[in-house]
Amino acid sequence: AQSVTQLDSQVPVFEEAPVELRCNYSSSVSVYLFWYVQYPNQGLQLLLKYLSGSTLVKGINGFEAEFNKSQTSFHLRKPSVHISDTAEYFCAVSGQYNNNDMRFGAGTRLTVKP
Amino acid sequence: DAGVIQSPRHEVTEMGQEVTLRCKPISGHNSLFWYRQTMMRGLELLIYFNNNVPIDDSGMPEDRFSAKMPNASFSTLKIQPSEPRDSAVYFCATRAFSGNTIYFGEGSWLTVV
Repeated sequence: AQSVTQLDSQVPVFEEAPVELRCNYSSSVSVYLFWYVQYPNQGLQLLLKYLSGSTLVKGINGFEAEFNKSQTSFHLRKPSVHISDTAEYFCAVSGQYNNNDMRFGAGTRLTVKP
Repeated sequence: DAGVIQSPRHEVTEMGQEVTLRCKPISGHNSLFWYRQTMMRGLELLIYFNNNVPIDDSGMPEDRFSAKMPNASFSTLKIQPSEPRDSAVYFCATRAFSGNTIYFGEGSWLTVV
């Protein structure tokens, strides 16, 4: 089975600063990787996903993530954050051949301060 | 296109009462998942269906929980009797059978007092 570790439970950052949210995964098989965002009192919304091909994946709202197989990481980055990016961010992993079993990390609370 | 639709959005009930949460998947999506989100345990997969058939219910916490999918456009998650520790946000999520992305509903906020 797969597992995900999000290394930071909370990340405070000032507006217009860059941010990186860290995610490491564990799996014995090839994986798909995802980042979801959850705004207050809402469901989870897909930010981006890595399936195959280019290791640098671009998503919505200016976010991008890089798949690093050797380090088993899939860190999320944004060069300049806005107040509206304040939310909970979840990294998730599923096996390529059994993608019903999607595992989520514990989440990282990103707080953007003015 | 309409997304995953869940009802009720919020429910407050007394301990011992039956709770029924409802989900309408995205049209054409053949896989349906029920998740529970709590502060302590994060997001947990409770059960999932493929083509209306329950495939894995190992995440269902107790016999008090049951889920059904009588047809491709409707699913329910029932808790009977409810307990305060069932208080959580319950998400329904769906995916096209050949797809790789799960789409979430807005969630049902359940409080059992």
